[in-house]
Amino acid sequence: AQSVTQPDIHITVSEGASLELRCNYSYGATPYLFWYVQSPGQGLQLLLKYFSGDTLVQGIKGFEAEFKRSQSSFNLRKPSVHWSDAAEYFCAVRGGGATNKLIFGTGTLLAVQP
Amino acid sequence: NAGVTQTPKFQVLKTGQSMTLQCAQDMNHNSMYWYRQDPGMGLRLIYYSASEGTTDKGEVPNGYNVSRLNKREFSLRLESAAPSQTSVYFCASSEGEERNSPLHFGNGTRLTVT
Repeated sequence: AQSVTQPDIHITVSEGASLELRCNYSYGATPYLFWYVQSPGQGLQLLLKYFSGDTLVQGIKGFEAEFKRSQSSFNLRKPSVHWSDAAEYFCAVRGGGATNKLIFGTGTLLAVQP
Repeated sequence: NAGVTQTPKFQVLKTGQSMTLQCAQDMNHNSMYWYRQDPGMGLRLIYYSASEGTTDKGEVPNGYNVSRLNKREFSLRLESAAPSQTSVYFCASSEGEERNSPLHFGNGTRLTVT
């Protein structure tokens, strides 16, 4: 079965600094990968997704993620963080066949310092 | 443009009480899901409905039942609430069960069982 690991529970960055949130997945074939963001008291919003093709995918709000098969990773990046980016970020993987349910990582809580 | 609507937003129950969480989507999606979110555990799938008329267990179904009332509505019932069911519950929908079909989430129901 597929699984997702987000090794960083909590990250603090300064406004304007660059950001990278780590995500490692486990799945035997090509996974379908997603990043979601959750603002306080809100549901989850899709930031971006990777299915195939170009390994660098662009999302909303200036985020991008790079799929690296050799490292089983799908890290989320942003060149310059804004205070409004403070939220919890979830990486998720969807396998195929009987394992095609969306499985989430445990999340990374991002704090942004002024 | 409502998307996925969950009611209620907040609920407090005593141990042993029952309640139903309601979810409706207006996107004409075929598949619907119930997740629970607990600190440090991400989101875990409780039940899902691939299409109208079908329901299946997810990762953590014990203590819950679901009903796919029609294409729009998917309810989650707690027959005898327990403190371990204190959580934030999210309903989600997608066009289908295909791997490239992203999930759209409601804003959640925060449930406390005392």
